[in-house]
Amino acid sequence: GAVVSQHPSWVICKSGTSVKIECRSLDFQATTMFWYRQFPKQSLMLMATSNEGSKATYEQGVEKDKFLINHASLTLSTLTVTSAHPEDSSFYICSARDSVRPIWAFFGQGTRLTVV
Amino acid sequence: DAKTTQPNSMESNEEEPVHLPCNHSTISGTDYIHWYRQLPSQGPEYVIHGLTSNVNNRMASLAIAEDRKSSTLILHRATLRDAAVYYCILSATSGTYKYIFGTGTRLKVLA
Repeated sequence: GAVVSQHPSWVICKSGTSVKIECRSLDFQATTMFWYRQFPKQSLMLMATSNEGSKATYEQGVEKDKFLINHASLTLSTLTVTSAHPEDSSFYICSARDSVRPIWAFFGQGTRLTVV
Repeated sequence: DAKTTQPNSMESNEEEPVHLPCNHSTISGTDYIHWYRQLPSQGPEYVIHGLTSNVNNRMASLAIAEDRKSSTLILHRATLRDAAVYYCILSATSGTYKYIFGTGTRLKVLA
């Protein structure tokens, strides 16, 4: 099946610093990628939809200046958590839709972010 | 976005079939029904999807009600590795195709 790779799998950063998470579709082109966050024992919450070559669309309540999304190519989207704080600690997951077969999405393995 | 309702948790004995229900009474005529499962500290894994007809694959079967307002994921013989949170999600067939996750069903498999 199609593979979506996230990097890093986990990261620890200090309060006030920025962290970048990469999401790559390894064997298909993804015009659209999605970013989710998940707190312990909770479901995935959609943060934003990113389209290659255009600005991301953020869900209500998600700060676009804090969570910067870039989708510069058909195989790579990045999420940068700027000026991270402990409350940003979470599990971040990306998913990508195959441009040719957009009906279903493939998910990355997730990135565990801990802000200390 | 159409919403889904699932039981919070279910239990099954190993080697027995499991039927995981999902209600989606506001489904539109062109929405696909997807099932994913998530193991701890991992991203969701695709299980199965369907539109109107029942579907089978190597992992599971999907039974869709005639009015499409509910569906059931069937694991024919549960194993300990099937213990996970199972999500039923609706997705439009046009536009952004974004997935909105509900609470899912946490499946516990008893040895």
